[in-house]
Amino acid sequence: DQQVKQNSPSLSVQEGRISILNCDYTNSMFDYFLWYKKYPAEGPTFLISISSIKDKNEDGRFTVFLNKSAKHLSLHIVPSQPGDSAVYFCAASVQGAQKLVFGQGTRLTINP
Amino acid sequence: NAGVTQTPKFRILKIGQSMTLQCTQDMNHNYMYWYRQDPGMGLKLIYYSVGAGITDKGEVPNGYNVSRSTTEDFPLRLELAAPSQTSVYFCASSYRRGGPGEQFFGPGTRLTVL
Repeated sequence: DQQVKQNSPSLSVQEGRISILNCDYTNSMFDYFLWYKKYPAEGPTFLISISSIKDKNEDGRFTVFLNKSAKHLSLHIVPSQPGDSAVYFCAASVQGAQKLVFGQGTRLTINP
Repeated sequence: NAGVTQTPKFRILKIGQSMTLQCTQDMNHNYMYWYRQDPGMGLKLIYYSVGAGITDKGEVPNGYNVSRSTTEDFPLRLELAAPSQTSVYFCASSYRRGGPGEQFFGPGTRLTVL
């Protein structure tokens, strides 16, 4: 039972354009969402998060959008840079719980 | 700060052998976690701890054991290694009460069981 799904295993984007990574969830109790970035042979690193009381959160080139009615969130990267090439995981949790549920990841490749 | 450190980086085990994956954090975080990542899959929670002396099962705890005697250390024990435990193991820690907050990950241990 995959509660957090990233249906695109991979995505290729031209440098300078917008990258949009998508994530769907099934558990309506989830109220906190995070995106992590992972380079090969390294652990994931935190990128950006959003609480369910918001529908948008921005941090520099990164923006996360949350659509609660659709149980969908997306990560926008503008403009995309070669250093953004990595695997991106979305994760979700229930307030008060100390556990995260991760999606399968999307491999983003930025082409020069 | 070194953050979260894990040893070893790589290990090959034979079926039935046992080993301990070490994890240490120097950020004084109360919460610590063990995940495994199989190829093409997300991270699955094995065990977690909300403080010294307190541990609980995650999504995939079978075949593993943990202990948390200090705030800094959270070792993961494999008693009878099986090929299904071939994976990359990540340790993480976090500080936020009332929610997982941002988790800080170690570099991982790549384990192969033959």
